[in-house]
Amino acid sequence: AQKVTQAQTEISVVEKEDVTLDCVYETRDTTYYLFWYKQPPSGELVFLIRRNSFDEQNEISGRYSWNFQKSTSSFNFTITASQVVDSAVYFCALIGKTSGSRLTFGEGTQLTVNP
Amino acid sequence: GAGVSQSPSNKVTEKGKDVELRCDPISGHTALYWYRQSLGQGLEFLIYFQGNSAPDKSGLPSDRFSAERTGGSVSTLTIQRTQQEDSAVYLCASSAVAGGNNEQFFGPGTRLTVL
Repeated sequence: AQKVTQAQTEISVVEKEDVTLDCVYETRDTTYYLFWYKQPPSGELVFLIRRNSFDEQNEISGRYSWNFQKSTSSFNFTITASQVVDSAVYFCALIGKTSGSRLTFGEGTQLTVNP
Repeated sequence: GAGVSQSPSNKVTEKGKDVELRCDPISGHTALYWYRQSLGQGLEFLIYFQGNSAPDKSGLPSDRFSAERTGGSVSTLTIQRTQQEDSAVYLCASSAVAGGNNEQFFGPGTRLTVL
């Protein structure tokens, strides 16, 4: 069985603040893939990043960074200097090697960035 | 360079009627997925197709739900005898091939309302 938990239902910050979205996962697979998707008010899920279980290097892309720690089964997402356009629901998701190709999503975190 | 498209964007139907939802994947993508997003259940996997292989139907919630993929491209999700609990946004995604090391790209979804 697989599970993804995003404990933060809603986060509200003021523009230019840094914000971290937490993601904790459970899987029995030793090979698995982790994802983050953004769902803006328009509704379309936008792919942000994919990591595989053998690559624990942190990744930075502009104002976005991801911290993958297998020891704590976490894959956290940080937005630096947040902007109003970052307001969206963010989903963490998992595919385990033995679970086919289905994405298992967390509950999502609603991020609101206020001007 | 079109993305995943879905039609209709909105569908309102009466309880007991059948509905068909359509998905056009990204050209050249061999894997196609259906998910459902509802308030109570979050984002749930329904079914996926990979090439000519038998689809993984393990996420379909009841035998009222079925899906086809014709010619390895367009897919139709059919819900028979709709119930109010079927009200949700139905999301289609495609990837180059199935598997966790390929990101899934999502369409805008079809919002289904069952009265």
